[in-house]
Amino acid sequence: DIQMTQSPSSLSASVGDRVTITCRASQSISRYLNWYQQKPGKAPKLLIYAASSLQSGVPSRFSGSGSGTDFTLTISSLQPEDFATYYCQQSYSNPLYTFGQGTELEIK
Amino acid sequence: EVQLAESGGGLVQPGGPLRLSCAASGSTFSSYPMNWFRQAPGKGLEWVSYISSSSRTIYYADSVKGRFTISRDNAENSLYLQMNSLRPEDTAVYYCARDLTGAGSYQIYVDVWGQGTTVTVSS
Repeated sequence: DIQMTQSPSSLSASVGDRVTITCRASQSISRYLNWYQQKPGKAPKLLIYAASSLQSGVPSRFSGSGSGTDFTLTISSLQPEDFATYYCQQSYSNPLYTFGQGTELEIK
Repeated sequence: EVQLAESGGGLVQPGGPLRLSCAASGSTFSSYPMNWFRQAPGKGLEWVSYISSSSRTIYYADSVKGRFTISRDNAENSLYLQMNSLRPEDTAVYYCARDLTGAGSYQIYVDVWGQGTTVTVSS
């Protein structure tokens, strides 16, 4: 199985901050990497697919980059509605998807 | 826009069965593969099972293989998960979700999720 490791596990930041979350795969997954946002009690929401493509309707302050084993999700200027948990997911071994453990983004 | 709605969750004793359903709105349900995911309390997301649009291809996570059965009825726009021999570690919110392969390279992802249904396995 492909293991996905996110860092940090939690992060405190302020509105307006630039934030970066990292995801590392246990083997090369090319660009088969997606990012999801999940708020408490809600289903995950797709933000980024294929490492850097923005899902329709997602604000442009979200961006993704990387390939191979190392990937990043960046939020350029945090908004109040961005405080949530973020998950990376590999689709290289589709449909045997695996996720990172999540990064909880909290208000400082 | 397609919407998914799970049902069938509840409290079940260890070793017991439970059947989850997922109703899809819209006429395109039959065109897409579907998945079940789950999330244990306070934990991350775990993929559970996949079924192709025609039901010909099915996969399970090792943790549920031999105990869970995924199926679909395209005429009824419905997805199912039959769960047998339930264990306390199966306690989770279960989500159905649509699998999508886009036109470009590397575009394989899950784009639509239901709101989830809670399964609690406890005596």
